[in-house]
Amino acid sequence: DSGVTQTPKHLITATGQRVTLRCSPRSGDLSVYWYQQSLDQGLQFLIQYYNGEERAKGNILERFSAQQFPDLHSELNLSSLELGDSALYFCASSGRRGQAGELFFGEGSRLTVL
Amino acid sequence: AQSVAQPEDQVNVAEGNPLTVKCTYSVSGNPYLFWYVQYPNRGLQFLLKYITGDNLVKGSYGFEAEFNKSQTSFHLKKPSALVSDSALYFCAVRASGAGSYQLTFGKGTKLSVIP
Repeated sequence: DSGVTQTPKHLITATGQRVTLRCSPRSGDLSVYWYQQSLDQGLQFLIQYYNGEERAKGNILERFSAQQFPDLHSELNLSSLELGDSALYFCASSGRRGQAGELFFGEGSRLTVL
Repeated sequence: AQSVAQPEDQVNVAEGNPLTVKCTYSVSGNPYLFWYVQYPNRGLQFLLKYITGDNLVKGSYGFEAEFNKSQTSFHLKKPSALVSDSALYFCAVRASGAGSYQLTFGKGTKLSVIP
């Protein structure tokens, strides 16, 4: 158990809809990262938040947004969903003192867009 | 920009034989290198990392990896494969001076250990 919690584990929705994925980082970790895993693109970095502020941005679509709340949990919002957004979305956390950068991943949220 | 190449989509090895999963990287400056494993329908689990020091890094479950700066490689190895090692393995990199800890991953190598 990595200590990173993601909900929901599975989500099925229709094109055009909006969904929210939630992540609770490990206790004490200040950074949250979102990754998208698909068969054709592999693991793609979407965005990172550190203590409530956006720290780094990757290949995140404009239809997607994220935020990190004062209690450090994070949400990834996906809107105007398309078939191609079907993927496994991972949250990871890091930031404890003494750990040189490994990320700890949640179990993922599998999104299916029909 | 940083990148990782895992040249083999799949590696098959007999149980008890040594295994190697290859990884090469490109990054500006000194690299921090990582290996992760993913079992079916699970998240990524950290195996080992190279930050500095000894080029041979030992990690979880008997895995080790060798950092080779001249060849920009970080191959994952295990002396004797187990059927339970069958999984998807990812190599990842980030620059040591980077402000963000976000990792760039390779596309993964599926390891199948045959009984």
